[in-house]
Amino acid sequence: AQSVTQPDIHITVSEGASLELRCNYSYGATPYLFWYVQSPGQGLQLLLKYFSGDTLVQGIKGFEAEFKRSQSSFNLRKPSVHWSDAAEYFCAVGSDMRFGAGTRLTVKP
Amino acid sequence: DVKVTQSSRYLVKRTGEKVFLECVQDMDHENMFWYRQDPGLGLRLIYFSYDVKMKEKGDIPEGYSVSREKKERFSLILESASTNQTSMYLCASSYFRWSDYGYTFGSGTRLTVV
Repeated sequence: AQSVTQPDIHITVSEGASLELRCNYSYGATPYLFWYVQSPGQGLQLLLKYFSGDTLVQGIKGFEAEFKRSQSSFNLRKPSVHWSDAAEYFCAVGSDMRFGAGTRLTVKP
Repeated sequence: DVKVTQSSRYLVKRTGEKVFLECVQDMDHENMFWYRQDPGLGLRLIYFSYDVKMKEKGDIPEGYSVSREKKERFSLILESASTNQTSMYLCASSYFRWSDYGYTFGSGTRLTVV
């Protein structure tokens, strides 16, 4: 069965620091992988997706993610975090979109 | 841009009431979905529909039903609301059957059952 684990419930980083949010998946074949962001009071917005090909995927808002098959991971990264990046981030896998529990990001001034 | 509109941002209902949550999308998407979002649990799929009058159960369909009479509208129905259905409900739509291009989400309806 498809499943997604986001090991970090809450992460705090300083503005300008780098960010990495972890995502591990369980899936039988090459998965479709997604990252979404949810700002307070809003729905989810697609940041980026991976289907095949280049394992480093670029998304919106300066985010990127790297697919590592050997580690069953699809971690989200950003080189320099802005205060407006404070939100909840969800990893999702598969054709029927199974979501992880989410990671809440707090950005310190 | 595709818009997915959920008719209410906040709802308060009494236990035992029949509750309707409405969702409308404006881009002729084939597929529509209802999720509930709870802290620490992420999003869990309740029902989805890939065509008018078609529906399929997701992971947690108990206590819910859905209706899709028109392509653009997908309604979630709580037949007899209970306090454990207090949650954030998110509607989503997508064009492709297997969500290759991700989903477009509405802003959510926060339902409180008292």
